[in-house]
Amino acid sequence: EDKVVQSPLSLVVHEGDTVTLNCSYEVTNFRSLLWYKQEKKAPTFLFMLTSSGIEKKSGRLSSILDKKELFSILNITATQTGDSAVYLCAVPHTGTASKLTFGTGTRLQVTL
Amino acid sequence: GAVVSQHPSWVICKSGTSVKIECRSLDFQATTMFWYRQFPKQSLMLMATSNEGSKATYEQGVEKDKFLINHASLTLSTLTVTSAHPEDSSFYICSARGWGHMNTEAFFGQGTRLTVV
Repeated sequence: EDKVVQSPLSLVVHEGDTVTLNCSYEVTNFRSLLWYKQEKKAPTFLFMLTSSGIEKKSGRLSSILDKKELFSILNITATQTGDSAVYLCAVPHTGTASKLTFGTGTRLQVTL
Repeated sequence: GAVVSQHPSWVICKSGTSVKIECRSLDFQATTMFWYRQFPKQSLMLMATSNEGSKATYEQGVEKDKFLINHASLTLSTLTVTSAHPEDSSFYICSARGWGHMNTEAFFGQGTRLTVV
């Protein structure tokens, strides 16, 4: 059974701090790993990672994948209150590539 | 591109009534649609997968007679919660994928918050 575990479950930081969110996974046939940001509504796509060691970057957010150790990290530098959200990690289902298995998410709160 | 619209964004209904939620792909043909449920402070749990023109495939533990899914066209799927009860109160989210999309992509609707009173 595919499994995705995220840590920490929740995190409170001050504006300007840098945070690192973790996602470890177990899948039989790895294809990719996806990161989403969820505020009050549906998740919005952040990154899709398929290759080890190649950093994906978008503004203050970046992510990298380690296929040997089966994990990914999401970094947010110079956090802002608008970064407060739940960050979800997901992997496509082993049997059916279209289905996604989500982790429990990391709830990030950025305070002033 | 790849916009998915879900309607309504929130609904309150009485216990015992049925509620229909629509999920539309606005600028692509959605060959596959997924329905998720999310309880407060929990992650998204896949309920079912539907392919246009065929019956939905439900995940283990999801009652297909209670959560009716119809995917009659390439741009519309509906989820009907029949005889809703307070424990069905949740956030329901659809996602869709079409021809030409990588098989790992999922485009989400805005979600529907259902409250059963």
